[in-house]
Amino acid sequence: DIQLTQSPSFLSASVGDRVTITCRASQGINSYLAWHQQKPGKAPKVLIYAASTLQSGVPSRFSGSGSGTEFTLTISSLQPEDFATYYCQQLKSYPLTFGGGTKVEIK
Amino acid sequence: EVQLVESGGGLVQPGGSLRLSCAASGFTISDHYIDWVRQAPGKGLEWVGRTRNKAYSYTTEYAASVRGRFTISRDDSQNSLYLQMNSLNTEDTAVYYCTRLFYDGSDYYCDYWGQGTLVTVSS
Repeated sequence: DIQLTQSPSFLSASVGDRVTITCRASQGINSYLAWHQQKPGKAPKVLIYAASTLQSGVPSRFSGSGSGTEFTLTISSLQPEDFATYYCQQLKSYPLTFGGGTKVEIK
Repeated sequence: EVQLVESGGGLVQPGGSLRLSCAASGFTISDHYIDWVRQAPGKGLEWVGRTRNKAYSYTTEYAASVRGRFTISRDDSQNSLYLQMNSLNTEDTAVYYCTRLFYDGSDYYCDYWGQGTLVTVSS
């Protein structure tokens, strides 16, 4: 199975900060990676697919990059509504797997 | 508007069975791959299984943790699909989500999530 390791698992940041979350795959997955955002008590929401393509309706302050084994999700200027948990997901091979999550909290 | 609505969750005893439903609206479910994903209380996301679309004969894939116990099926007349869960154990306690996938020319990615339904396995 392909393991995804997210770092950090927790980060504390202020409104307006630039935030970067890393997702490392245990083997190469090309660009078959998605990022999801989940707020407490809510279903996840897709932010990015194919490593760097923004899902329709997602604000442009979110961006994704990377290929192979290392990927990043960047929020250029953190907004109050961005405080949530973020998960990466690989879709290269079965079983599909998720990273352990990164919780972004208010500093 | 695309919507996925899960139902059928509840309390079940270990060893019991439960069938979850995922009702789709705003699109034709037979055209799409659908995944089931679950989330144990306070934990991360875990992929459960996939059903491909009609063009791929609705073939399925499952996570090792549920293979042989869970079965995904569809009813196109109801624009719905189902997750039959047998031999449930306490590790199956989770919120279960159905998710719609789309093809971007290279692979299948999720674009919509349902709101989830809670399954609690406990005596």
